[in-house]
Amino acid sequence: AQKITQTQPGMFVQEKEAVTLDCTYDTSDPSYGLFWYKQPSSGEMIFLIYQGSYDQQNATEGRYSLNFQKARKSANLVISASQLGDSAMYFCAMREGSTSGTYKYIFGTGTRLKVLA
Amino acid sequence: EAGVTQFPSHSVIEKGQTVTLRCDPISGHDNLYWYRRVMGKEIKFLLHFVKESKQDESGMPNNRFLAERTGGTYSTLKVQPAELEDSGVYFCASSSGLQETQYFGPGTRLLVL
Repeated sequence: AQKITQTQPGMFVQEKEAVTLDCTYDTSDPSYGLFWYKQPSSGEMIFLIYQGSYDQQNATEGRYSLNFQKARKSANLVISASQLGDSAMYFCAMREGSTSGTYKYIFGTGTRLKVLA
Repeated sequence: EAGVTQFPSHSVIEKGQTVTLRCDPISGHDNLYWYRRVMGKEIKFLLHFVKESKQDESGMPNNRFLAERTGGTYSTLKVQPAELEDSGVYFCASSSGLQETQYFGPGTRLLVL
């Protein structure tokens, strides 16, 4: 069965340093998508970055990059130059294939990141 | 452009009562999804609408949950009667296409006492 694993329940990083949040996935579907969302204390889920299973290059969006290692089934999020506003819960998600016409997302349990001043 | 909005942000009810959650998707998004996160667990899929039709409701826990999307715009999720295990955060998401990125709302925090 498809699954997402985030092994770090909590992480600390010093302001201005880079941090990597781990995500591994398990699927037998050759076509899938991987996503990262940020959930600050206010509650909204903010889409950060997307990586398709057939994408040859790692996705980047500003200070966010996704370290996609297909053979290892990992999709780690790298945040460069951390800012205090990056403190939040981060969720990794996978869009699984569909036979019903619905592309559900499967989520990990999340990693809570705290950026220290 | 307004994002996905959900109402109420919080709801505290007693076991046996009824609660109705509302979701307004991003304007023009035909696809609307409901997800739920119970305490400490993963966010899990509940159901998917395409316009006003239920495409997939395989994640709905039981028949105490009823989702509607009349007119293909906003959606409601009613829990009747609520049980203690229904407590959690209910998220709504919308997307413009089936494989397009789903954008999430802020969630409704439901506490059943």
